[in-house]
Amino acid sequence: DTVMTQSPLSLSVTPGQPASISCKSSQSLLHSDGKTYLYWYLQKPGQSPQLLIYKVSSRLSGVPSRFSGSGSGTDFTLRISRVEAEDVGVYYCMQALHLITFGQGTRLEI
Amino acid sequence: EVQLVESGGDFVQPGGSLRLSCAASGFTFSNYEMNWVRQAPGKGPEWLSYINVNGATTFYADSVKGRFTISRDNARNSLYLQMSSLRVEDTALYYCARDEGDIKADKWGQGTLVTVSS
Repeated sequence: DTVMTQSPLSLSVTPGQPASISCKSSQSLLHSDGKTYLYWYLQKPGQSPQLLIYKVSSRLSGVPSRFSGSGSGTDFTLRISRVEAEDVGVYYCMQALHLITFGQGTRLEI
Repeated sequence: EVQLVESGGDFVQPGGSLRLSCAASGFTFSNYEMNWVRQAPGKGPEWLSYINVNGATTFYADSVKGRFTISRDNARNSLYLQMSSLRVEDTALYYCARDEGDIKADKWGQGTLVTVSS
């Protein structure tokens, strides 16, 4: 199994300040097709997970531009340029190269 | 509007069986690959199973392989998960989620609760 390890596990951020979450995979997520199958989701309180970023750095339509993803191989980062109150929840990274596995989650609080 | 609505969750004893359904609307269901994902109370999501557009290709997580079966009925715009030999550790909220090509799990339902207990 590909293990996804996130850090930190919790994050307290003042509104307007930046936030960063790291995700490391136990195997490279680079496919022979040149694509890297790393995704970021946010689960707001009481809701289903929602996709934010796909294939490392592509923002899903409708996702605010303050969210950005970067990384390659086994090391990835989700950044929020200026945290807003609505960003509260648990963030998960997910790999989809070796079946699918999720990270353990990072709880963001304001 | 894209909608995925799960149903069929229930309270069941260990060793029992259950069939979950996911009703899709607002998109051409037969063009999309689908998944089942579950989330135990207080835990992160766990992917369970994938099915391609015509049902010919399926994958399973080791934790459910041999016990759970994914299927779909494109004429009914529905996805299913047949679960057998249920264990206490299968207790979770079960979600269906849609893939749009390389964009994995871009839409999720609200989930249906399965509780396995004696």
